Amino acid sequence: DAGVIQSPRHEVTEMGQEVTLRCKPISGHDYLFWYRQTMMRGLELLIYFNNNVPIDDSGMPEDRFSAKMPNASFSTLKIQPSEPRDSAVYFCASSQAQLNEKLFFGSGTQLSVL
Amino acid sequence: KNQVEQSPQSLIILEGKNCTLQCNYTVSPFSNLRWYKQDTGRGPVSLTIMTFSENTKSNGRYTATLDADTKQSSLHITASQLSDSASYICVVSPLSGNTPLVFGKGTRLSVIA
Repeated sequence: DAGVIQSPRHEVTEMGQEVTLRCKPISGHDYLFWYRQTMMRGLELLIYFNNNVPIDDSGMPEDRFSAKMPNASFSTLKIQPSEPRDSAVYFCASSQAQLNEKLFFGSGTQLSVL
Repeated sequence: KNQVEQSPQSLIILEGKNCTLQCNYTVSPFSNLRWYKQDTGRGPVSLTIMTFSENTKSNGRYTATLDADTKQSSLHITASQLSDSASYICVVSPLSGNTPLVFGKGTRLSVIA
């Protein structure tokens, strides 16, 4: 298996633009997580899905953030409009059958909003 | 509030030396504690897992310890190598099945020649 695949690896955009981050989890994994990582705050959970259903989105910072999982092999995290304080590394992770099993992370998307 | 605190924030050591990273947590009850290694530009990768009943677990040159009474864990790296340069993140799993993992902010380790 290729592991969790994220795209793009790097995204540079201007304030106010829409940003879409993409994730393909490991096949057969029931849980998918979106995390944001900054030096100041470390890894923060934004939202997670179980069997494609959003379970907890309490970590989504504002209404500008939205996430979808239309099927078991694809998820998106969208920011509209983007702001400079959204600059961070965004990770997607998946786990097999339980919420707190070992997480498998993608390589992340480095987002810079100018 | 469930929290995980790691120390030191960063550490620089010479190649071949040993080091110990600390993790203190308030998550209770918990089911397991993991250490993840995160190389620069990559996502974290699980190194070790310890359940509440385990005291020590080794993975090559990495040895993790756990004291559930004092809510402390440590990660000891023996005979460090340049490839050990990374961030090491302590992650605690609450026993409650519907509470997500609690992450520390990590220790940034730099091994220099």
